[in-house]
Amino acid sequence: AQKVTQAQTEISVVEKEDVTLDCVYETRDTTYYLFWYKQPPSGELVFLIRRNSFDEQNEISGRYSWNFQKSTSSFNFTITASQVVDSAVYFCALSEAGDAGNMLTFGGGTRLMVKP
Amino acid sequence: DSGVTQTPKHLITATGQRVTLRCSPRSGDLSVYWYQQSLDQGLQFLIHYYNGEERAKGNILERFSAQQFPDLHSELNLSSLELGDSALYFCASSLQSRGRDGYTFGSGTRLTVV
Repeated sequence: AQKVTQAQTEISVVEKEDVTLDCVYETRDTTYYLFWYKQPPSGELVFLIRRNSFDEQNEISGRYSWNFQKSTSSFNFTITASQVVDSAVYFCALSEAGDAGNMLTFGGGTRLMVKP
Repeated sequence: DSGVTQTPKHLITATGQRVTLRCSPRSGDLSVYWYQQSLDQGLQFLIHYYNGEERAKGNILERFSAQQFPDLHSELNLSSLELGDSALYFCASSLQSRGRDGYTFGSGTRLTVV
């Protein structure tokens, strides 16, 4: 069965610090998809990134970067020079391509608080 | 605006009552997924419909049911409501029935059972 673990339940940083959110996943499929979503205080789920299991290239988008390592089953998310607007709950999620691929399995989320 | 529309945004109802949550998927998407977000259980998959057919069930209670209509909108029916059903209910849509094309979430319906 698929599983996603976000060990950090809450992180607090001061503005302009870099912060890394950890995500470890478990799956028996060789083809799967990993996601990060942001949930700001307003409550909606905002899509950040999708990565398939065959693409281990790291990705950078502005202040955001993602490090995918199949060897350690991790898909970590780094925010560089954090800002107060980054304060939110961040969810890592997994979707398998096989028969169980009808759904996203979410981690428990990491609440990031960025203080001015 | 994600393109996925959920109504109502907020709902307050009493225990024992029945409510219906509605979801209109993004234009062109055939799959609708329902998720429940509660403080103690986190984000949990409830049910998936693809082009009108049920494709997968997750941790959905027997008091809950859903359907997807020919116009592809979906409704989640919650009956005999209990205090513990208070949660944020999300709908997501995707083009296909797998994760390869991603999922787009609506803004959710916040249900409060009093």
